[in-house]
Amino acid sequence: DTEVTQTPKHLVMGMTNKKSLKCEQHMGHRAMYWYKQKAKKPPELMFVYSYEKLSINESVPSRFSPECPNSSLLNLHLHALQPEDSALYLCASSQGPPEAFFGQGTRLTVV
Amino acid sequence: AQSVAQPEDQVNVAEGNPLTVKCTYSVSGNPYLFWYVQYPNRGLQFLLKYITGDNLVKGSYGFEAEFNKSQTSFHLKKPSALVSDSALYFCAVRDMGTSGTYKYIFGTGTRLKVLA
Repeated sequence: DTEVTQTPKHLVMGMTNKKSLKCEQHMGHRAMYWYKQKAKKPPELMFVYSYEKLSINESVPSRFSPECPNSSLLNLHLHALQPEDSALYLCASSQGPPEAFFGQGTRLTVV
Repeated sequence: AQSVAQPEDQVNVAEGNPLTVKCTYSVSGNPYLFWYVQYPNRGLQFLLKYITGDNLVKGSYGFEAEFNKSQTSFHLKKPSALVSDSALYFCAVRDMGTSGTYKYIFGTGTRLKVLA
């Protein structure tokens, strides 16, 4: 199983809402990532968790709050987002084989 | 810091013709290089990687890539393009963050259009 599962696939939220994105993998990978991707642009790294601890935060605004409850799950909590935060949010995991495995993404629209 | 560059925003090729998507890298030490493909509104699919060894790397869906150390390039190739290969292609390098954790840095992407 080389699958990274992200839910929901699509999310529309208002600027005052609180929502969460979820990511799950069962490959035993101990590094998990959140990337943000705008249309026709490369993915930009947001956060990296290593062994369930936040290892890299690429100066992401505090309205994005990551959480790693266990070695298989990664959440991204969203609060008071802006319309410019609308993007495809990608989760990935890696360990062992050097390549990262990506989920299908959550398409987020902030209205 | 490691980086990769993709000099072409778009590549057009006729179906059945060979295709090349270019990537150059800037790394210190031995590079770990990757190619990913992305179809519209989808995640990234891993195609192939170069770690060490043979300079010609074979990957999924008939794709291959040639690692050239002297030219610091890692071009993606396919002998005969299919219309279904039309997608966005990203070259990537694995970098070590200051915390000792790996992260993946992507090029700007190249849109491949295969014309029937």
